[in-house]
Amino acid sequence: EAEVAQSPRYKITEKSQAVAFWCDPISGHATLYWYRQILGQGPELLVQFQDESVVDDSQLPKDRFSAERLKGVDSTLKIQPAELGDSAMYLCASSFRDRGSYTFGSGTRLTVV
Amino acid sequence: GNSVTQMEGPVTLSEEAFLTINCTYTATGYPSLFWYVQYPGEGLQLLLKATKADDKGSNKGFEATYRKETTSFHLEKGSVQVSDSAVYFCALRFSGGYNKLIFGAGTRLAVHP
Repeated sequence: EAEVAQSPRYKITEKSQAVAFWCDPISGHATLYWYRQILGQGPELLVQFQDESVVDDSQLPKDRFSAERLKGVDSTLKIQPAELGDSAMYLCASSFRDRGSYTFGSGTRLTVV
Repeated sequence: GNSVTQMEGPVTLSEEAFLTINCTYTATGYPSLFWYVQYPGEGLQLLLKATKADDKGSNKGFEATYRKETTSFHLEKGSVQVSDSAVYFCALRFSGGYNKLIFGAGTRLAVHP
């Protein structure tokens, strides 16, 4: 069964450092999503791509977060500088088009110390 | 705005007990409704969905019916197992355009032998 790949699974970083997460969606899925899940809460969308274009980044803290999907396939989410409040699970998901069910990756758990 | 409200957890049950997790939504229009499940340390997996009023989604013994009149999508299972212990998320999504999944806060279920 096809999967959404994410790496790393776990990341510990110091406050003010830079950190990056990688996501490889299911082959052929044009829509890619990055969600942030704070402990005890539901996931919230950070950014949504359609192919290589950003179609929703309204909740992305743009002063410190950036995301790219240069060739419309895999994607990188970066935080610089990291803050204590960024500690969370970062989930990537993809879907065939902009509708229908998502497939989620296993996530990257970030701890900022 | 559009939102999802779930009953607070944790829900603690004995094996073979009946499960209900309440979910209500607020939305302008008629979204599709979803239940996702998250096992410890993992990403989210789609459990079931319903795309229009009175539809019943079902999977692995779980079921939920889309009730437009009460704006609800309660999750039920007749006989839970220890392996059902997880966090359950209710979510909504509108079709068309670049519409995102909007999640509830999640309900933790713990099933004891």
